[in-house]
Amino acid sequence: SYELTQPPSVSVSPGQTAGITCSGDKLGEKYVCWYQQKPGQSPVLVIYQDNKRPSGIPERFSGSNSGNTATLTISGTQAMDEADYYCQAWDSSTANVFGTGTKVTVL
Amino acid sequence: QITLKESGPTLVKPTQTLTLTCTFSGFSLSTSGVGVGWIRQPPGKALELLALIYWDDDKRYSPSLKSRLTITKDTSKNQVVLTMTNMDLVDTATYYCAHPDPAMGFDYWGQGALVTVSS
Repeated sequence: SYELTQPPSVSVSPGQTAGITCSGDKLGEKYVCWYQQKPGQSPVLVIYQDNKRPSGIPERFSGSNSGNTATLTISGTQAMDEADYYCQAWDSSTANVFGTGTKVTVL
Repeated sequence: QITLKESGPTLVKPTQTLTLTCTFSGFSLSTSGVGVGWIRQPPGKALELLALIYWDDDKRYSPSLKSRLTITKDTSKNQVVLTMTNMDLVDTATYYCAHPDPAMGFDYWGQGALVTVSS
């Protein structure tokens, strides 16, 4: 079965840039979306089709996808961005799996 | 406005069958392209996609759980039902239903329902 691997944790200082990777075989050939999940809350879609932002998502969230790796970038990270982040490959042939998740800590 | 809400038991015993209902509004499962998915999350762990059902009754299941899962829809009631057989302690999780946009991913989520498996 298809697997997506993320680093367990990423730390970033306020105002700095955080990058979260998501690795999977030929991931660049699929669409990737990203979800933010804060404690006790349901996930929220923050990036879809690799690099598009849904309405209401701040511009500091951006994405890219090439080769075997997709990346979610948070520019000018704020304390409110502290959360768990999950990637997802959106492809009917791969059962749309989720990544392993990354905890972002804003120090 | 799209909303989804999960309902079902909060406690089940090992070996029992879990039945969860997702009641939604703001869209119809009789519309081409529309679907509903079930996702779960054990405490402190990652999200796991369980099953998807689409307007044409196309169904997709997690390969690892396929033998235990059944997803059905009742278009007239705006409901999707997930059944999971032979529940085990490791199935303790928050179960979410969500709306998949064909071009985006899961753009709307329910609040989640915590199901505990314990004897």
